[in-house]
Amino acid sequence: DVKVTQSSRYLVKRTGEKVFLECVQDMDHENMFWYRQDPGLGLRLIYFSYDVKMKEKGDIPEGYSVSREKKERFSLILESASTNQTSMYLCASETSGLSNDREQYFGPGTRLTVT
Amino acid sequence: GNSVTQMEGPVTLSEEAFLTINCTYTATGYPSLFWYVQYPGEGLQLLLKATKADDKGSNKGFEATYRKETTSFHLEKGSVQVSDSAVYFCAPPINSGGYQKVTFGTGTKLQVIP
Repeated sequence: DVKVTQSSRYLVKRTGEKVFLECVQDMDHENMFWYRQDPGLGLRLIYFSYDVKMKEKGDIPEGYSVSREKKERFSLILESASTNQTSMYLCASETSGLSNDREQYFGPGTRLTVT
Repeated sequence: GNSVTQMEGPVTLSEEAFLTINCTYTATGYPSLFWYVQYPGEGLQLLLKATKADDKGSNKGFEATYRKETTSFHLEKGSVQVSDSAVYFCAPPINSGGYQKVTFGTGTKLQVIP
């Protein structure tokens, strides 16, 4: 059974703290994604990675960075957390192969609250 | 790049009503098309997909037909249940190989009342 796991389901951090969100997939997928989901705004892409040490900005990269040192792990970093980064964060992975295999597999999400 | 336009919600239906959620796309080449569903408190999961023109994807009573002539992939279900209450996302078409920025948008929230 394919699986994408995220390090925490719920997280509470203080303004200014450095925050790490970890995502691990066990499907040997090349592509990995970080999204945030907010009421009324839907799912917005923050960053994605198509290979180890490779990254591309999504639609809302400001205030975030990412790290992909190993193929199975994709980390999202909030260098200095702010209250407007309170959100649900979703990680996903997909293969880069044939289009009919290009399903995205999502983790359960991390609900981050910054106080 | 590839993109979709999805019907906005929320949609409220009575149990056993017929459901249609419209989705139209723009794309190059011969992409695959996907619908995802997000149940409360969970991440997204694939609901169904279609990989070529005129294909019909189906799962859990939901269906969607890949219509190249109208560039549409509308989601339908003949008789919805309370357990179908969720947010439905039409994903941008995906081409083979490499990588694509995938933006899901707001989705369509469905609420089914008994």
